[in-house]
Amino acid sequence: QPVLTQSSSASASLGSSVKLTCTLSSGHSAYIIAWHQQQPGKAPRYLMKLESSGSYNKGSGVPDRFSGSSSGADRYLTISNLQSEDEADYYCETWDSNTQVFGGGTKLTVL
Amino acid sequence: EVQLLESGGGLVQPGGSLRLSCAASGLTFSSYAMSWVRQAPGKGLEWVSVISGSGGSTYYADSVKGRFTISRDNSKNTLYLQMNSLRAEDTAVYYCAKAGDCSTTSCYEDYWGQGTLVTVSS
Repeated sequence: QPVLTQSSSASASLGSSVKLTCTLSSGHSAYIIAWHQQQPGKAPRYLMKLESSGSYNKGSGVPDRFSGSSSGADRYLTISNLQSEDEADYYCETWDSNTQVFGGGTKLTVL
Repeated sequence: EVQLLESGGGLVQPGGSLRLSCAASGLTFSSYAMSWVRQAPGKGLEWVSVISGSGGSTYYADSVKGRFTISRDNSKNTLYLQMNSLRAEDTAVYYCAKAGDCSTTSCYEDYWGQGTLVTVSS
């Protein structure tokens, strides 16, 4: 089954951009993933589905500041014009025929 | 607007049982697979189980296989998770979630409930 690897933490300044990475394990580089955001004390929120081609589909109400891209086994979430409310944990997820897997999450700090 | 409301969490002793419910509204419930995802205190998200729209297919994480049972009542727009032989490591917030656009039962989640806390302790 696939494994997803994420950096444990990232930081960027208010108004700047940040690119978070989710890496698929060997043999799974073509997998589609999803990105979710979890603000402190809240339930997760779906952000987007991201394909290996780099094509992505965002969830309802997700700001234009959020975008996705792909390169090989890497899937990226870019957040532009960082806002204070973007400080959160970000999880990637993928799935197979009978299982679903989350990455360990990246804690984003907005400075 | 899709809304998912979990209930049934609480404190239970090791070895005990608990049944979680998730009431869904704002969607054609039977058309979508549904999942349970949990989060232990201070930890990341862990997928627990998924059920197809008809209820005919179910899958489980190895950590709960044989102890938990997912089910649904499409006439009541409600998802369930029966949890037996509970262990301390099952302590977590349990989220109900609706599956997104996939060709398989296993899928990402595009709507999440607010969660219900299950604490397993003596």
